[in-house]
Amino acid sequence: DTAVSQTPKYLVTQMGNDKSIKCEQNLGHDTMYWYKQDSKKFLKIMFSYNNKELIINETVPNRFSPKSPDKAHLNLHINSLELGDSAVYFCASSQDRRGLIYGYTFGSGTRLTVV
Amino acid sequence: QQQVKQSPQSLIVQKGGIPIINCAYENTAFDYFPWYQQFPGKGPALLIAIRPDVSEKKEGRFTISFNKSAKQFSLHIMDSQPGDSATYFCAAGWNTPLVFGKGTRLSVIA
Repeated sequence: DTAVSQTPKYLVTQMGNDKSIKCEQNLGHDTMYWYKQDSKKFLKIMFSYNNKELIINETVPNRFSPKSPDKAHLNLHINSLELGDSAVYFCASSQDRRGLIYGYTFGSGTRLTVV
Repeated sequence: QQQVKQSPQSLIVQKGGIPIINCAYENTAFDYFPWYQQFPGKGPALLIAIRPDVSEKKEGRFTISFNKSAKQFSLHIMDSQPGDSATYFCAAGWNTPLVFGKGTRLSVIA
C-alpha cells in the first residue's frame, strides 16, 4: 500500500501549457505539503495545508494554485508553465502540523520538464 | 534566519568508515531537528530526529550530535555500508513547515 502517491511520475510539457499534479495519502494525516526540489537537490516548501485549509503559502508565483478537496488529497495546478518550473515536485504529509510525531512521509515525486 | 546550512556537499568514504555531515542554523526558535535520507528516484524518508533538550541521540548506526550554544548539529554514520549511499538532508522546524539543508551526497565504496 502506497502511503503518499503522486501522479504522474513524469511530466514533459511545452512552455505556456497548464498542468496538474495529483497527490493522495492514505495515512489519515491532517497536514499535507508541496515541496519543490531543484536540479541541485534543494528542497523548498511551497504550500502547506491542514485539514483542507491553506496554512502556509511561501513566495510562489500565483501561477501555482493548490487545491485540497478533502484532507487526503492535495493537488497542484500550474498555469502558463515556464522553463524555470522544471523540477521534481514532492507531496508530503504529516500526522500533526509540525511533523514531530512520525516526521513527514514523502511521495516519490513528479519530475516536471518544461521544453 | 530561516536557513539551514549543510556541509559538505558531497562525501566519499570507504566501507566501515564514519561519515560526518554538519548543519548550522540561525533561528533560535527552531526546536526540532530531523535528518532525512533520499535514494535516487525516491522521496526523502525520516532517518532520525532530535529535540534541543538532549545533546545526542542514537538509533542503530546513526547518531545525531546537537550543540545548542553553537547552533549546530551533525549526523554520524557508524560502520558505513554501500547501502548507505544516498543524499542526506538535515532540517529544522518549529511552528512552520520544515526548512531543509541543501543535502549531502554520500558515497560509500567497498
